[in-house]
Amino acid sequence: SSELTQDPVMSVALGQTIEITCQGDSLRNYYASWYQQKPGQAPILIIYGKNDRPSGIPDRFSGSNSGNTASLTITGAQAEDEADYYCISRDTTDNHLAVFGGGTKLTVL
Amino acid sequence: QVQLVQSGAEVKKPGASVKVSCEASGYSFSDYYIHWARQAPGQGLEWIAWINPDTGSSNSIQKFQGRMTMTRDKSISTVTMELRGLKSDDTAIFYCARVMRTAVAGIAFDVWGQGTMVTVSS
Repeated sequence: SSELTQDPVMSVALGQTIEITCQGDSLRNYYASWYQQKPGQAPILIIYGKNDRPSGIPDRFSGSNSGNTASLTITGAQAEDEADYYCISRDTTDNHLAVFGGGTKLTVL
Repeated sequence: QVQLVQSGAEVKKPGASVKVSCEASGYSFSDYYIHWARQAPGQGLEWIAWINPDTGSSNSIQKFQGRMTMTRDKSISTVTMELRGLKSDDTAIFYCARVMRTAVAGIAFDVWGQGTMVTVSS
C-alpha cells in the first residue's frame, strides 16, 4: 500500500507564506487533495485536483505538484489558518483505496 | 443543502459490535461513492473503507477485512458501517465522506459527516 509523508509540525508568522508538503509515490500518478481540520470539527476540503478550490475557500490557499510531492501553500497566513492539514491520494496498488498523510499541525505565530 | 448526517456517539464493550450510519441528503444518493475515515484521540486521519451506494460493492483496508461490513439502503439514502470484535484501540471518531466528481486523477471528499465517536471500554 502507499504512504504519504508530511512534516508533523510547522509554524508561520502572521501574514507570511508557508508551504506544507506531502510526499509519496502515488503522487506521481494521482493528484492529492488537501483538508483543514480544526479541533472538534470535521475536516474540510481546501484544495483538489491540479489546483482547485471549492467555493468559499480563500484564494490565499493554493496547491502545486512536482514528481512525488504535492504542496499546499498559504500566502499571507491568518490566525484562523491555525489548524491541522492533511493530504490524501489514491493508493498505487488499488485505486479504490486511499491513504492520508500523517498530517501537519500548523501554528500561526 | 448537500449534507451527510451520521448517527450518534456509541459506547461499547470489547468484543461487541457497532453500527454507524451516514444519511445523505440534497443530492442523488446513488451517484457518489462514500468513503470512511477514522481518527483516534489526538491522532491523524486514517482512511479505512469505501462503498458504492449504487451497487453496494465495498472494500476496506486489510486490517479491517473480516471485521467490517458496509451496507447501503437506497430507500433511505443511508450507508451503514458495522465493525465487529471491537478492541480498545478501535476507540475513534468515524467519519463518512462523499467522493467529489472530478475530471482529474485523484480523490477528493467534498462533503463530510459530522463524525461519530465510538468508545470501546470495559
